[in-house]
Amino acid sequence: GNSVTQMEGPVTLSEEAFLTINCTYTATGYPSLFWYVQYPGEGLQLLLKATKADDKGSNKGFEATYRKETTSFHLEKGSVQVSDSAVYFCALRPNTGGFKTIFGAGTRLFVKA
Amino acid sequence: EPEVTQTPSHQVTQMGQEVILRCVPISNHLYFYWYRQILGQKVEFLVSFYNNEISEKSEIFDDQFSVERPDGSNFTLKIRSTKLEDSAMYFCASSGGLAETYEQYFGPGTRLTVT
Repeated sequence: GNSVTQMEGPVTLSEEAFLTINCTYTATGYPSLFWYVQYPGEGLQLLLKATKADDKGSNKGFEATYRKETTSFHLEKGSVQVSDSAVYFCALRPNTGGFKTIFGAGTRLFVKA
Repeated sequence: EPEVTQTPSHQVTQMGQEVILRCVPISNHLYFYWYRQILGQKVEFLVSFYNNEISEKSEIFDDQFSVERPDGSNFTLKIRSTKLEDSAMYFCASSGGLAETYEQYFGPGTRLTVT
């Protein structure tokens, strides 16, 4: 079946540190991959997406590359800010049957000043 | 930029009561979804809806739940007799197409508290 596994949190970093949040997936076919962010007390916001292998999604300094060979979509940012503190969800949408988005468990990021 | 809206933002209800959560999807979208997130847990798919019928539902979406598009703009989730374990954040989403490349736009959520 389809599933998403992402690294457990919380992740605590100092401001300007490098961020990596690992995400791997299991899917039949060629899903689209997404990162969503949830700031405290708010809903889900799409951060970035990639729809085919080797695509790189990027937004607000975050980026992730769709790696089919390793079934991964790791989120990276070169220099985090306090305002990046949030929960980050890796997700996929399969391209065979079904209409739902499948989410990982989420990784909470704390950035200290 | 068009957005999905949800009302109310927070609903408190007593166990056994019926609740209706409301959503206004993006106006030219045709596919609608409900997800829920129990506090501290992952976001889970409940149901998808297209052409006035359910396209897919999860095992969570039992007979206590129903969805409806009562007019051209609203999309509702009804829980007939709420249980304590229904307490969660409920997210509505809509998309313009079915293919996996179509983004699902999520609303801000309704926090349901069952006491």
